[in-house]
Amino acid sequence: DGGITQSPKYLFRKEGQNVTLSCEQNLNHDAMYWYRQDPGQGLRLIYYSQIVNDFQKGDIAEGYSVSREKKESFPLTVTSAQKNPTAFYLCASSLDDLYGYTFGSGTRLTVV
Amino acid sequence: EDQVTQSPEALRLQEGESSSLNCSYTVSGLRGLFWYRQDPGKGPEFLFTLYSAGEEKEKERLKATLTKKESFLHITAPKPEDSATYLCAVQAYSNTGKLIFGQGTTLQVKP
Repeated sequence: DGGITQSPKYLFRKEGQNVTLSCEQNLNHDAMYWYRQDPGQGLRLIYYSQIVNDFQKGDIAEGYSVSREKKESFPLTVTSAQKNPTAFYLCASSLDDLYGYTFGSGTRLTVV
Repeated sequence: EDQVTQSPEALRLQEGESSSLNCSYTVSGLRGLFWYRQDPGKGPEFLFTLYSAGEEKEKERLKATLTKKESFLHITAPKPEDSATYLCAVQAYSNTGKLIFGQGTTLQVKP
């Protein structure tokens, strides 16, 4: 079955540490997105990519970095510059942005 | 600035008690309005896309409608399994690269 896979499901980060969240899709979708979800705030866009080797900043890109070397993969790195990284991170993909996004199951990141 | 506001934040219904969720939006040229369902600890699941005022779409007990300023998600005779957070999002012609989400309405249906 086609889908979008995020790993790990839970991730713990120490202060000053960079961590990378994985997002893989086998839907042959061109566009991929990273959102952050905090309680009561809805989803906020971090980065998005509409084609391989190209990506754009979203509304809250500071402290995050991405790469898009393959169509199937869009990893997100949470750097030590992100001061409040504890959140639920969602990856999504779309064939055409009018057909809606397909979301992964999310990664919950906690700073310890 | 493009904006989406959902109300109420939380809604508790008895099984079989119909109601509506509201999504008000301000956008410079609406390209599409999306409804998603999200269960706790999971990613959102796509429900509907609406493109123009007057459009309606249905799926089981859910019916989404759209006007020029807002969208409603009507839930008819809800069941406990309809309990979830419902998210509304809009896409503008001026910014087709992303969706702007509301904060969601958390629905609890009691048996």
